[in-house]
Amino acid sequence: QQQVKQSPQSLIVQKGGISIINCAYENTAFDYFPWYQQFPGKGPALLIAIRPDVSEKKEGRFTISFNKSAKQFSLHIMDSQPGDSATYFCAARGAGNNRKLIWGLGTSLAVNP
Amino acid sequence: NAGVTQTPKFQVLKTGQSMTLQCAQDMNHEYMSWYRQDPGMGLRLIHYSVGAGITDQGEVPNGYNVSRSTTEDFPLRLLSAAPSQTSVYFCASSYDRDPYEQYFGPGTRLTVT
Repeated sequence: QQQVKQSPQSLIVQKGGISIINCAYENTAFDYFPWYQQFPGKGPALLIAIRPDVSEKKEGRFTISFNKSAKQFSLHIMDSQPGDSATYFCAARGAGNNRKLIWGLGTSLAVNP
Repeated sequence: NAGVTQTPKFQVLKTGQSMTLQCAQDMNHEYMSWYRQDPGMGLRLIHYSVGAGITDQGEVPNGYNVSRSTTEDFPLRLLSAAPSQTSVYFCASSYDRDPYEQYFGPGTRLTVT
């Protein structure tokens, strides 16, 4: 059972466009929602993260929007660039003693020049 | 700091062989984990450790063993390799407290024939 559902599986965007990746979760005990970026042949790296008491967090061209009531969060990449082409993973972390990250299945983003 | 290092980068095994994937970190992180990444399957947690001497199973532990004798090292042992274990393996580490960012190694690409 996939506790964090990520969509779409793949995404093609033109340079300068907005890339939007969505994630939905079931467990209301999750207390930390990161997005990781992975380039081919590399390990994932933290891109941006948000806690459920905040509705939006922006870092440069990357924004997380968080809707606690709908149990959804999304990554928006403004002015998408070919260098943003990568696989993006959303994740959610359990609270208390459950430290494990629960991962979405990933979105492969291609930004055409 | 070297961060998280993994060796080897590539490995080919025959069915039934055993081997150890090495992982080390120099950030004094308490939490370390092993993931496997397969196409369309995202990142799946194999084993994790919250400190030296403490390990626990993730969602796909069968066929793998781990130990954590020091804070720095977290080797993953394949007991009797099977073709189903062909995958890319990532080691990650983090503090067991805020900000919970996981730092990933560069990965080991394993092929079992």
